[in-house]
Amino acid sequence: EAGVTQSPTHLIKTRGQQATLRCSPISGHTSVYWYQQALGLGLQFLLWYDEGEERNRGNFPPRFSGRQFPNYSSELNVNALELEDSALYLCASSLWASGGSAQYFGPGTRLTVL
Amino acid sequence: QKEVEQNSGPLSVPEGAIASLNCTYSDRGSQSFFWYRQYSGKSPELIMFIYSNGDKEDGRFTAQLNKASQYVSLLIRDSQPSDSATYLCAVNGESGTGNQFYFGTGTSLTVIP
Repeated sequence: EAGVTQSPTHLIKTRGQQATLRCSPISGHTSVYWYQQALGLGLQFLLWYDEGEERNRGNFPPRFSGRQFPNYSSELNVNALELEDSALYLCASSLWASGGSAQYFGPGTRLTVL
Repeated sequence: QKEVEQNSGPLSVPEGAIASLNCTYSDRGSQSFFWYRQYSGKSPELIMFIYSNGDKEDGRFTAQLNKASQYVSLLIRDSQPSDSATYLCAVNGESGTGNQFYFGTGTSLTVIP
């Protein structure tokens, strides 16, 4: 079974540009989560999508946005890039089941803002 | 505010010893508990999950859950240098939040050869 995939692996942008990151969940998973992990720091929750709807978002400015497509894949958009947006962006997928179920991570996209 | 707390470490153990990693959570409604291992520069990898009070063993790993004390732990027996990583505790199914996950900040483990 294929795992969570993310593209691109690396992305280099300059300040003020826009970045688009993509994620494909494990087949059958309907929930997609996005996290930001700056170097040496913990996971910061960004966004949670399920069945095409945004279910929750973390404490990030509106220039971080995303969407989930009918095939459950997702993209994260970051507008007006700032230097501090440089981080590893992780996507995870899960199947929303009563009592909870595990979350599985993709390999991440490393975004560098120059 | 729902919180998951871990001792950030670093925790150092000699090769072959037992490493004990601890996690507490704030919401009594939490239902599912997970341990992830993250190597530097890589994404987190699920290593254990536990739903019921008590112990769950998988190879060298044992997860322990005590819902009354809101405490979950991970024991790694016969620690190997390859176990050196950051271990993340995650909690899911908290009351009113559906499938939202809450992660601790991680405990850094170093196994000394």
